[in-house]
Amino acid sequence: NAGVMQNPRHLVRRRGQEARLRCSPMKGHSHVYWYRQLPEEGLKFMVYLQKENIIDESGMPKERFSAEFPKEGPSILRIQQVVRGDSAAYFCASSFQENTEAFFGQGTRLTVV
Amino acid sequence: GDSVTQMEGPVTLSEEAFLTINCTYTATGYPSLFWYVQYPGEGLQLLLKATKADDKGSNKGFEATYRKETTSFHLEKGSVQVSDSAVYFCALSDSQGGKLIFGQGTELSVKP
Repeated sequence: NAGVMQNPRHLVRRRGQEARLRCSPMKGHSHVYWYRQLPEEGLKFMVYLQKENIIDESGMPKERFSAEFPKEGPSILRIQQVVRGDSAAYFCASSFQENTEAFFGQGTRLTVV
Repeated sequence: GDSVTQMEGPVTLSEEAFLTINCTYTATGYPSLFWYVQYPGEGLQLLLKATKADDKGSNKGFEATYRKETTSFHLEKGSVQVSDSAVYFCALSDSQGGKLIFGQGTELSVKP
């Protein structure tokens, strides 16, 4: 049973471009969480999704960031018009149910140049 | 709001030394508490957890006790190994699931 898969592992974007980060949850998991880890900081919750629904987006920046988890396919975290401050590691986690253990992917390290 | 504070790193120890990484929390309710470990280049792995006061979580020689009176969840290990070198994160959740509030992480380096 493969774990949570994130791709790409490393992503370089120029300022103003779009970044798309993908997360395939563990088999059978329908709950996905996205976190951002800025340099020298802990992980900060961004958004919680179930299939086709955003449950909690209290940690998402109000502009340029969006997330989806379609019925088929991976969850996508999309950052439009990236700026240098978006450079961070983005981690995805998945769980079977809301109140069960979440398993983390290896993260995508975004660098904005 | 809820928050987690853990001791700053890096912590450098010799092999077989005793480890303590302090973690305190602020929460309005009765959260579950977790320790996660992140090895270089990898994602976070759950190390141990405790879901109510006085519970002790333990795994791979690590343990932590949920202390409600001191709002703490300190991580301890009696004898560390080089392979324990990693970043350790304390976290809380008002459920047992994936919406977690993390501390800033403590880097541990164990020298032979």
